[in-house]
Amino acid sequence: AQTVTQSQPEMSVQEAETVTLSCTYDTSESDYYLFWYKQPPSRQMILVIRQEAYKQQNATENRFSVNFQKAAKSFSLKISDSQLGDAAMYFCAYQPGQGGSEKLVFGKGTKLTVNP
Amino acid sequence: GAGVSQSPSNKVTEKGKDVELRCDPISGHTALYWYRQSLGQGLEFLIYFQGNSAPDKSGLPSDRFSAERTGGSVSTLTIQRTQQEDSAVYLCASSLVPGAPIGFYNEQFFGPGTRLTVL
Repeated sequence: AQTVTQSQPEMSVQEAETVTLSCTYDTSESDYYLFWYKQPPSRQMILVIRQEAYKQQNATENRFSVNFQKAAKSFSLKISDSQLGDAAMYFCAYQPGQGGSEKLVFGKGTKLTVNP
Repeated sequence: GAGVSQSPSNKVTEKGKDVELRCDPISGHTALYWYRQSLGQGLEFLIYFQGNSAPDKSGLPSDRFSAERTGGSVSTLTIQRTQQEDSAVYLCASSLVPGAPIGFYNEQFFGPGTRLTVL
């Protein structure tokens, strides 16, 4: 079974600084997707960024980028120029790439605090 | 119209009572998922629907939990004889087409969840 591990229960960053959230996963499959979701206090899960395992290039979305190391099964999220609105729970998630129910497997999350 | 909606937003019940949680997916989405988020935990998969059938119920924690989907749209998650450990946020998500080939991304859109508190 696939597992996702987030080893940092909490992180903090100063506004305008950069922070990196860690995630490792375990799978025997070669085709899959990885995601970072943001969950603010409103509980609404928001997709921040996704990475297809077959792509070597790291995904970027504005201030958000990932460092995808397939051999190491590592998938970290870097937030540049942190803003107060970035404060939230961040979840790393894995999804099989083909067939099955494509259910998402989540880590336990990292609570990010942004200090003014 | 809008995104995935869930009702009620919050539900407080007494131990032993039955509860029903509702999910309205995005119109046209054939796949629907239920997840549970317990305090301090990540989201845990419960059940997946393709249309009105549930090919994957592997995450349902006990036979007190059941779910159905009618008309390929609305889904109801029912918890019978609730226990305190059932207290959690129950999230629903929907996606357009499941089982897509590599290169086609099939995003799951989440609702705001129902916070269930069992006293």
